[in-house]
Amino acid sequence: GAVVSQHPSWVICKSGTSVKIECRSLDFQATTMFWYRQFPKQSLMLMATSNEGSKATYEQGVEKDKFLINHASLTLSTLTVTSAHPEDSSFYICSARDSAQGRLDYGYTFGSGTRLTVV
Amino acid sequence: AQKVTQAQTEISVVEKEDVTLDCVYETRDTTYYLFWYKQPPSGELVFLIRRNSFDEQNEISGRYSWNFQKSTSSFNFTITASQVVDSAVYFCALSEASQNRDDKIIFGKGTRLHILP
Repeated sequence: GAVVSQHPSWVICKSGTSVKIECRSLDFQATTMFWYRQFPKQSLMLMATSNEGSKATYEQGVEKDKFLINHASLTLSTLTVTSAHPEDSSFYICSARDSAQGRLDYGYTFGSGTRLTVV
Repeated sequence: AQKVTQAQTEISVVEKEDVTLDCVYETRDTTYYLFWYKQPPSGELVFLIRRNSFDEQNEISGRYSWNFQKSTSSFNFTITASQVVDSAVYFCALSEASQNRDDKIIFGKGTRLHILP
């Protein structure tokens, strides 16, 4: 089945530094990937939709200059948390949709998530 | 705009009891998809089911069953003979499938299920 690899699975960084999270589709191509953030005991909130070769679409309230998304290839999207602060500590999850499947097929696959702690 | 409501924040039942998790959705689209995911303490999302808006047939998979009713915009999930391993957070989610949408999945707030031994 479709697999999405997300790395790192956890990271601790100092306040003010930047952290890059990778989301890679291993056995399929994904023109569209999604990035979610989940605070403890809360739901998954969509941050942005990443489209290969174009700018990401950010949800309202998400700072695009702080959360940089790059979707340079059909199998890789990255999320960079710039100048991280303790309030950015969260669980980040990516999701990818198989481009080969029809729009009504809806094969979404989620990564295993990245737990970010900013100290 | 699309919206998913899971009114039950937390549920506790004794093992072997049946439990139903409620999900009510809102959408303007006639074509959409509904999902249920399980999130154990480890954090990864486990896909349980996907149902499109044109298929109102109820589905059963082992101890799991789903009741989709368009008339009430509900997509409820029942676990029969619950087990301790069913303890997790369960999310109901919705994706609109119209051509002019970007197919994003929106999640409900989740229901935390505790199965007590």
